[in-house]
Amino acid sequence: DTEVTQTPKHLVMGMTNKKSLKCEQHMGHRAMYWYKQKAKKPPELMFVYSYEKLSINESVPSRFSPECPNSSLLNLHLHALQPEDSALYLCASSLTPLPGSINQPQHFGDGTRLSIL
Amino acid sequence: DQQVKQNSPSLSVQEGRISILNCDYTNSMFDYFLWYKKYPAEGPTFLISISSIKDKNEDGRFTVFLNKSAKHLSLHIVPSQPGDSAVYFCAANDQTGANNLFFGTGTRLTVIP
Repeated sequence: DTEVTQTPKHLVMGMTNKKSLKCEQHMGHRAMYWYKQKAKKPPELMFVYSYEKLSINESVPSRFSPECPNSSLLNLHLHALQPEDSALYLCASSLTPLPGSINQPQHFGDGTRLSIL
Repeated sequence: DQQVKQNSPSLSVQEGRISILNCDYTNSMFDYFLWYKKYPAEGPTFLISISSIKDKNEDGRFTVFLNKSAKHLSLHIVPSQPGDSAVYFCAANDQTGANNLFFGTGTRLTVIP
């Protein structure tokens, strides 16, 4: 059982739709992440939130818009996606992300499998 | 450019024997290494990690070895069990910024009963 919950598990949307992916954790983690994973490829980092503030945006197109309303929730708003955006979107969380702090592993949700028609 | 590499896409091992999964990295700034296990239709599950100040970390049947000079780490599973069959990802990060994990491409382990 994962302690990071992602909804929905599957999402099919057209290129003109607007939808949101949701992620929730109640482990008291203060860093949350979005990753994108294409088939037969490793996960690739998209965004990092540290203490509810966006700290990393890995050159992700603006059609992906992250939001961190509070320390337990992370959203990814989707608009005008392209077929190549079809992938598994993984959310993760970890304890303090501060540089120099003791490393802590990231814990992943089961992902949202997104298909763009 | 892939900074973390798992050169064996698959591995088959008999139940009860040792499984050895290998991983190489290129970035000398990496100082924390992790192994994740992934079942189909699930997210990666954290398995074990090692800091660069150590060369071995053990947790039950799982042991991770780190050879910094060779930029190589390995995961040993002994004894292997059929439930260990999954895809195993090696990952690494550094302390220079936020906790950005770099993943290898994964090794599919099959444990044969």
